Amino acid sequence: DTEVTQTPKHLVMGMTNKKSLKCEQHMGHRAMYWYKQKAKKPPELMFVYSYEKLSINESVPSRFSPECPNSSLLNLHLHALQPEDSALYLCASSQEPGQGSYGYTFGSGTRLTVV
Amino acid sequence: KQEVTQIPAALSVPEGENLVLNCSFTDSAIYNLQWFRQDPGKGLTSLLLIQSSQREQTSGRLNASLDKSSGRSTLYIAASQPGDSATYLCAVLLFHYGNNRLAFGKGNQVVVIP
Repeated sequence: DTEVTQTPKHLVMGMTNKKSLKCEQHMGHRAMYWYKQKAKKPPELMFVYSYEKLSINESVPSRFSPECPNSSLLNLHLHALQPEDSALYLCASSQEPGQGSYGYTFGSGTRLTVV
Repeated sequence: KQEVTQIPAALSVPEGENLVLNCSFTDSAIYNLQWFRQDPGKGLTSLLLIQSSQREQTSGRLNASLDKSSGRSTLYIAASQPGDSATYLCAVLLFHYGNNRLAFGKGNQVVVIP
């Protein structure tokens, strides 16, 4: 298995809702990432998990809450989002944190719309 | 701070022409460089990964070169096809305080005209 799987592919949520995005990989990668991408912009890093521990939080608002239950799973819990949070949310993984020999594998993304 | 620039931002070419996409970066202390393809509303697909010690990588019609000292990479796509229409993103891998970071360019938006 050489894929990063993200669910759901599309999500529409109200500003008072609570929802979660899920990301899964079975490549044995030990670093996992959440990115946010707005239209016609490059992806922006939100969070990094290294060996299941949060190692980078790019000053993301607390209405986004990441979770790494095990080495294969990464969740992003969403609560009280704003319309400006509407974007494509991408999950990625890489083999070894701190190693430069490996590339990143990205999932197909979740298209989030906040109404 | 590492800055990654991709030129041109957008281009259209007739089918069959070779594509040349350029990426430049300001800090040569990179670990590797990765070219991605992104279709509208979709995720990123890795095309080629070039280690900092390598000069080029090839896969089918794709060839990417890396000149770390001058901070440049070029992606060549031979004999372009309409299916090559997409946005191509260049990203350099940095190592910072025990963590990897990817620094992305803004992309080359390519349209191949049948």
